[in-house]
Amino acid sequence: GAGVSQSPSNKVTEKGKDVELRCDPISGHTALYWYRQSLGQGLEFLIYFQGNSAPDKSGLPSDRFSAERTGGSVSTLTIQRTQQEDSAVYLCASSWGRFASGANVLTFGAGSRLTVL
Amino acid sequence: TQLLEQSPQFLSIQEGENLTVYCNSSSVFSSLQWYRQEPGEGPVLLVTVVTGGEVKKLKRLTFQFGDARKDSSLHITAAQPGDTGLYLCAGAGAGGTSYGKLTFGQGTILTVHP
Repeated sequence: GAGVSQSPSNKVTEKGKDVELRCDPISGHTALYWYRQSLGQGLEFLIYFQGNSAPDKSGLPSDRFSAERTGGSVSTLTIQRTQQEDSAVYLCASSWGRFASGANVLTFGAGSRLTVL
Repeated sequence: TQLLEQSPQFLSIQEGENLTVYCNSSSVFSSLQWYRQEPGEGPVLLVTVVTGGEVKKLKRLTFQFGDARKDSSLHITAAQPGDTGLYLCAGAGAGGTSYGKLTFGQGTILTVHP
């Protein structure tokens, strides 16, 4: 597609429930990222997929968080047994994964706003 | 520990004023980027700097990468209400880590009043 698409745009859930957030990257982009953003704050790295390599999961805050990327395209971020502190905007980004001159250009989606009651 | 420190965190100015936002680190980065984010949207890339001492200009915005590639600044001349938003710096390649993984600062919320 023309841009990075995320769904749902808004999700309200009860504490303890599981949620799934979906990301559709730009066609042809080999790299896909998930970041988390609290209100008006910077981005916290969660996980990074690059082609067929093992994902970099170093940013996942707990084992309640997991992510998959099927067929090198769509990705799903799953949060199990949600807690109130999981409330945030979850941003997905993709890139070509080729780093000309050491720079990597990310295109972000609009995010999924998660509210845990 | 925040790898990239941005300052100030909040900036409220009048239209026509100049401003500078700083992004500092004790780590050396292979590249540094600046993004701008508006409410309800994802960040949008403004510029990438990769060479120590590099200066890039984008209309009224001037970006500088420090000589040691540990810091950067964003200077806006004659700010306009349309410049309002969250400005984020992001670095890659610190400590030999992958270029693919960007580390973001905590952001600067800029409000320009008419």
